Amino acid sequence: AQTVTQSQPEMSVQEAETVTLSCTYDTSESNYYLFWYKQPPSRQMILVIRQEAYKQQNATENRFSVNFQKAAKSFSLKISDSQLGDTAMYFCAFMKTNAGNMLTFGGGTRLMVKP
Amino acid sequence: DTEVTQTPKHLVMGMTNKKSLKCEQHMGHRAMYWYKQKAKKPPELMFVYSYEKLSINESVPSRFSPECPNSSLLNLHLHALQPEDSALYLCASSPGAGGPYEQYFGPGTRLTVT
Repeated sequence: AQTVTQSQPEMSVQEAETVTLSCTYDTSESNYYLFWYKQPPSRQMILVIRQEAYKQQNATENRFSVNFQKAAKSFSLKISDSQLGDTAMYFCAFMKTNAGNMLTFGGGTRLMVKP
Repeated sequence: DTEVTQTPKHLVMGMTNKKSLKCEQHMGHRAMYWYKQKAKKPPELMFVYSYEKLSINESVPSRFSPECPNSSLLNLHLHALQPEDSALYLCASSPGAGGPYEQYFGPGTRLTVT
């Protein structure tokens, strides 16, 4: 079974600064996918970024980028130029290939962006 | 339209009541999911429907009964719930269940059992 660990229950960052959220996972699979989901207060969960394990290049989406270290089983999320709208719960999630599209979530990191 | 809608937004029910949660998507997705989420915790998978058939039941108590009348609609029927069932119930959909597909989440129904 896979496990996903987010070691930072809460973090805060000043507006316009950069913050990195940590995620580690444990799996014996060689082929899999990793996701970061964002859940703002009282709003729905949305996908921030995804990474295919077979790709060495780190995924980037505008201000969001990941540092994927497959050997270390680490998948951190960097948010650049933080904005107030980035305040949310962030979940790291793991998906095996050909396993019914099921997600295994980490415990979440609550990020507060301060003005 | 990349939206998953859920009704009602909030629901308060007694332990003897019967109620239903509704989830709809019009993206042509063929897989739909029910999750339960407690405060400050990640979502926990309850059920997966693939092509309108129940494919995964994560050992959910029978007081929760899912139904998928068609490919756009997913219901969760509730009966004789316990106070510990109070939570945010999230619905999600994806193009298929074969993966890897992004799951699109609805805003959830906040359920309180009194």
